[in-house]
Amino acid sequence: SQQGEEDPQALSIQEGENATMNCSYKTSINNLQWYRQNSGRGLVHLILIRSNEREKHSGRLRVTLDTSKKSSSLLITASRAADTASYFCATDSGGYNKLIFGAGTRLAVHP
Amino acid sequence: GAVVSQHPSWVICKSGTSVKIECRSLDFQATTMFWYRQFPKQSLMLMATSNEGSKATYEQGVEKDKFLINHASLTLSTLTVTSAHPEDSSFYICSATPKTRFSYNEQFFGPGTRLTVL
Repeated sequence: SQQGEEDPQALSIQEGENATMNCSYKTSINNLQWYRQNSGRGLVHLILIRSNEREKHSGRLRVTLDTSKKSSSLLITASRAADTASYFCATDSGGYNKLIFGAGTRLAVHP
Repeated sequence: GAVVSQHPSWVICKSGTSVKIECRSLDFQATTMFWYRQFPKQSLMLMATSNEGSKATYEQGVEKDKFLINHASLTLSTLTVTSAHPEDSSFYICSATPKTRFSYNEQFFGPGTRLTVL
C-alpha cells in the first residue's frame, strides 16, 4: 500500500524558478528518500534524510523533514528544463527495508 | 556506482503466455531485491521482496502464483508473469540492496521492463 500523498500532483514552472514538492506519510519512519524518474525510465536516487535530521542539501536540492507533521519537502532551486521529470518520495519504516512510495509530482520546467 | 540491469527492456506477448523478467546486480551482491509495478502516471507499487535462497514475501493483494519470483543467486532475481492478461500490462521495476551497505536501505533501481499483453 502506498505510504502517503504528494502535492502538487503536477507542477509547471519556467526555467530559473524554484520548484517545491511536498510529501506526507502515515507511519513512523527510519528515513525518507527522494527519487527522480524520467518518463518511462528507472529511478534515480536523489537524497536521503534520516528521521533525526531536519534538513539536508545536495547541490540545488534542499530537503526538509518534519516528523511531528509526518511531512517532507523537496526544493529544487534555479530549475532547468532538464529537471523535467516525476519526483517521488519514499519512506523506509524498517522491517525488511521496504520502501513505500508516494504518489509523485510531475514537474515540467519550460525553457 | 552500483548498477542494476533488467532484461528485457520491453516485451509484447499474447494473452495467456508467460513472461520472465530478469533483474541483475552487475557489480555488487544483493542481499535483497524488490519488485515494483508502475501503471501509467502512477507511483511504484511494491509487489514483493526477494531474498537470496528463500521464498519471496508478497505484498497484500499480489498473487504469488501469478507472479513467480526466484532469487537463485546474490546477483539475479527473476519475475515470471504467468498466464499474462492485458490487465498485467505495466512497467515492472526491480531494485537491489547491496550486501555490504545495509544500514540505510540504499536501493539501486533497474531501468524497468515495459510489458504489453495483447
